[in-house]
Amino acid sequence: GENVEQHPSTLSVQEGDSAVIKCTYSDSASNYFPWYKQELGKRPQLIIDIRSNVGEKKDQRIAVTLNKTAKHFSLHITETQPEDSAVYFCAATKNSGGSNYKLTFGKGTLLTVNP
Amino acid sequence: GAVVSQHPSRVICKSGTSVKIECRSLDFQATTMFWYRQFPKQSLMLMATSNEGSKATYEQGVEKDKFLINHASLTLSTLTVTSAHPEDSSFYICSARDSAGWGELFFGEGSRLTVL
Repeated sequence: GENVEQHPSTLSVQEGDSAVIKCTYSDSASNYFPWYKQELGKRPQLIIDIRSNVGEKKDQRIAVTLNKTAKHFSLHITETQPEDSAVYFCAATKNSGGSNYKLTFGKGTLLTVNP
Repeated sequence: GAVVSQHPSRVICKSGTSVKIECRSLDFQATTMFWYRQFPKQSLMLMATSNEGSKATYEQGVEKDKFLINHASLTLSTLTVTSAHPEDSSFYICSARDSAGWGELFFGEGSRLTVL
């Protein structure tokens, strides 16, 4: 099955700096890579996702890059703000259609943005 | 976006009792829902895939007789923790996506179970 490794486990940055979280996956057939943000005691929420037919996707201060050859993908947050502080999870899956594909999650990164 | 509602958000029970958690898709149909367990400061661990009208598919190591899953309609899945023990205390989260596929996975609010 799929295995997703995520680094670092904790990341502390100053407000305004950039933050980068990296994930690697094992199954070359995986084709969908979402990122979730989870605040303490709350539900995970999708912040950005990328499919294997593109190498980069950007949404305002958040971007994700994908290197299929190396089997790794990264989350980039620019101009960080204190409200970006949360746990971020990457995930990977092979989606062959339908709604029953399972996501494999990384172990999470606790991001702390210091004012 | 779509909404997945989970109830109850918190439950405290005595050891040996059973607890039922509900997961509802409020504005879409979900033939498949997923149940996760999350320990403090850890990742989401998939417990089982709930399939409408058929048996759930459990992940390796998850006791199906301990964690009963029922998916009787396209908008409701339930997880029953039977004969709960303190080690079952955890944060349980369900998720679902629109049956159309390629859709975003939406999570419920989560249910924090504490077994005394």
